Amino acid sequence: AQSVTQLGSHVSVSEGALVLLRCNYSSSVPPYLFWYVQYPNQGLQLLLKYTSAATLVKGINGFEAEFKKSETSFHLTKPSAHMSDAAEYFCAVSETGGATNKLIFGTGTLLAVQP
Amino acid sequence: KAGVTQTPRYLIKTRGQQVTLSCSPISGHRSVSWYQQTPGQGLQFLFEYFSETQRNKGNFPGRFSGRQFSNSRSEMNVSTLELGDSALYLCASSLVGGRGETQYFGPGTRLLVL
Repeated sequence: AQSVTQLGSHVSVSEGALVLLRCNYSSSVPPYLFWYVQYPNQGLQLLLKYTSAATLVKGINGFEAEFKKSETSFHLTKPSAHMSDAAEYFCAVSETGGATNKLIFGTGTLLAVQP
Repeated sequence: KAGVTQTPRYLIKTRGQQVTLSCSPISGHRSVSWYQQTPGQGLQFLFEYFSETQRNKGNFPGRFSGRQFSNSRSEMNVSTLELGDSALYLCASSLVGGRGETQYFGPGTRLLVL
């Protein structure tokens, strides 16, 4: 069965500092992986996704993630944090088997950006 | 192109009542999925509909049901509400619901059960 683990439920960085949000996955087949962001009182917005085309995936708002099969990881990074990046971030893996686009989400990481 | 819309945005009900939530997908999208988000359980898959058929169902009791109409709009219903049903209910749409396909989420309906 597929699963996702996000290490660190809360991460705090200073404005301008590197953002690193960790995600490890478990999948019996090559995975499809996603990062979503959720701002307060809003739905989820896709940041980026991995579909095996390239291991380094660039997304919106300056975020990127690198797929590392040997480490079963898909960590999200941004070189310089901005105050507007404060939000909750979810890593997700697409379930396998059958005609389904069901997503299995991690528990989320709340990112705080300090001025 | 308009995004996914959900109505109502907020809802307060009492235990034992039932509730119906509505979701209008992005124009041209035929797959609609529903997720429940709670502080304790996180984001959990409820069900997915494609061409008016339920294609996949999560591990929720039969009190949770849904349907999809010919215009791809979807509704979900929760009967005999319990306090634990208080949550943010998110709807997501995609073109055909294929594995790895991007899902676009609506703003959610926040349900409070008293």
